[in-house]
Amino acid sequence: DTGVSQDPRHKITKRGQNVTFRCDPISEHNRLYWYRQTLGQGPEFLTYFQNEAQLEKSRLLSDRFSAERPKGSFSTLEIQRTEQGDSAMYLCASSGWADSNQPQHFGDGTRLSIL
Amino acid sequence: AQTVTQSQPEMSVQEAETVTLSCTYDTSESDYYLFWYKQPPSRQMILVIRQEAYKQQNATENRFSVNFQKAAKSFSLKISDSQLGDAAMYFCAYGRDKLIFGTGTRLQVFP
Repeated sequence: DTGVSQDPRHKITKRGQNVTFRCDPISEHNRLYWYRQTLGQGPEFLTYFQNEAQLEKSRLLSDRFSAERPKGSFSTLEIQRTEQGDSAMYLCASSGWADSNQPQHFGDGTRLSIL
Repeated sequence: AQTVTQSQPEMSVQEAETVTLSCTYDTSESDYYLFWYKQPPSRQMILVIRQEAYKQQNATENRFSVNFQKAAKSFSLKISDSQLGDAAMYFCAYGRDKLIFGTGTRLQVFP
């Protein structure tokens, strides 16, 4: 069990550029979540998948954001035309789900800085 | 709206002493989970303890225990025999699928 892995750890980019983050969940987990955390705040939910199906998206996820999990394994989060307000830590978490929800395990996050 | 409130931005405790972190939440649901997560500086979020709302018995994990008051929508975390390694941000969270987090309480532990 290698834990939830996120890549890259840090991303610095200019405003207006596109960025893509990757998350590899714990191998037996079928649920994958994306959260955003700004300085001094708790994480805010963005979206989550069960296998390859995207089950819910937050209103925070504007049309510049898109998330995929094409084969039900790793997931990508893409931000197009980045803005200053996108600067944050992007956290990925995964969990198992059977008859009840299992606790979410978090990765180290990807810190995005917009210049 | 579902909200989680942590009214203590910072707390401090002496090593080996006990400290309680407060959390209240608002929901109209009857079946849900409550969590406390710990986030050390520049490190990943770690689950401390989980409580199922349908269980009346308070959850415990070694030195960590909760006081779950469902009617009052209160979910406090008690850390006994505090250790230097307990110093971190502590987040209270609510949810079944997606989690809703509070703003966190920064815990300092003094030797």
